[in-house]
This record gives sequence, C-alpha cells and structure tokens, in this order.
Amino acid sequence: KNEVEQSPQNLTAQEGEFITINCSYSVGISALHWLQQHPGGGIVSLFMLSSGKKKHGRLIATINIQEKHSSLHITASHPRDSAVYICAVSKTSYDKVIFGPGTSLSVIP
Amino acid sequence: EPEVTQTPSHQVTQMGQEVILRCVPISNHLYFYWYRQILGQKVEFLVSFYNNEISEKSEIFDDQFSVERPDGSNFTLKIRSTKLEDSAMYFCASSGGTGGADGYTFGSGTRLTVV
Repeated sequence: KNEVEQSPQNLTAQEGEFITINCSYSVGISALHWLQQHPGGGIVSLFMLSSGKKKHGRLIATINIQEKHSSLHITASHPRDSAVYICAVSKTSYDKVIFGPGTSLSVIP
Repeated sequence: EPEVTQTPSHQVTQMGQEVILRCVPISNHLYFYWYRQILGQKVEFLVSFYNNEISEKSEIFDDQFSVERPDGSNFTLKIRSTKLEDSAMYFCASSGGTGGADGYTFGSGTRLTVV
C-alpha cells in the first residue's frame, strides 16, 4: 500500500471553477507538503503545513491530522493553474519527503 | 526569496560515463537531499545528507551513486558508469530542519538523459 494517496488522478475543470484535490496518508507525520510541477519538470513548494489551514492567494490547504487527510483547494481556477499537484509528507521537519503520485489538473478556458 | 540552484538544467551523457550533478542549497540550511523522478513516475527519495555525512539512503542509492559537499556551498551527486535507466529528472532540496520558514525548498531539477 502506498504511504501517500491522492485523488483524483486526473482532473479537468472549466476556468473559474472551484477545485479540490485530496490527499490521504498512512504514516505519522510532522509536515505535509503541497507541491506544483509544471511541464518541463521543476517542483515549486506551495505549502508546508502541520495543522489547520493555510491560504496563499487563490490556494487554500487544509489538514486533518486525526483523519490523516489533507485537501488543496483552488478558487477561481485559471488555465495557468494547469499542472501536476503533488502531496508529500515527512515524518519530521528534516526527514526525507515521501511523495504521492500527483494529480494532473487541466483548466480549460 | 532564497533558491536552491541546480546545474546543469539538462545533461546528455553516453552510457557508461560518469556524471556529476551540482546543487547550491540555501545558505543557512543544514539538511540536503537528492530525489529523482523517472518520466511518468512519482518522485523518489535517493539520499539525505547532514553534518557532512549521509543520514539516510534508499535502496536505489547503491554503489553507483555518491554525494559530496566539497565546500561550504555546493552539494553534488555523482553517478558512475551511467545506465539507460538512470535517465530521469534529479531534484536537489534543502531544509533548515525546523519547519516553517526553514521548510523544504526544491531546486528546479537536472534532466539527465543517458544515450
């Protein structure tokens, strides 16, 4: 069983839609990361969180430690949001990061 | 904003050759990492490095691989006798180790193509 699961695997949305990507994990963690990967491959860190909720612009990340679940929300989606969104966890703040499989998002104008 | 810098962005090498991938972590970070992503697959951990020694390595990180921090700024991954299956994107990352503002930062990656 994979330690980090994401759903959906692929997602197509119309511009302006509210998007939710879900992540569940099976190990004890101290931090959960949401990352963005564009075609061409570079990884950009969006959030690192250990509890509650964080917001940056149109992106919101939440985590429920008891349920071992996190969500990434994108409000008012735009074609430039099209990318692969990756959930990843680390057991301590300095430990290796365990990556999920990613969710491929395509936002259509 | 501080960045993790990786060079080169793309490297093509002949099978059997040695390659060195270079990374400059964020200057006050203490923990350094290499990951790789084979095309179409998820990112995999290779090795972590702290206090001038390997702190953890994966099964992938066999004798073909080595890491070094030759000076105060660079962190390198050496792959000896490259194989076709070493073709992948290699990511460097660094962490201050305390979370929050010292959280993980990834480099933009080096795409290695072995021909």
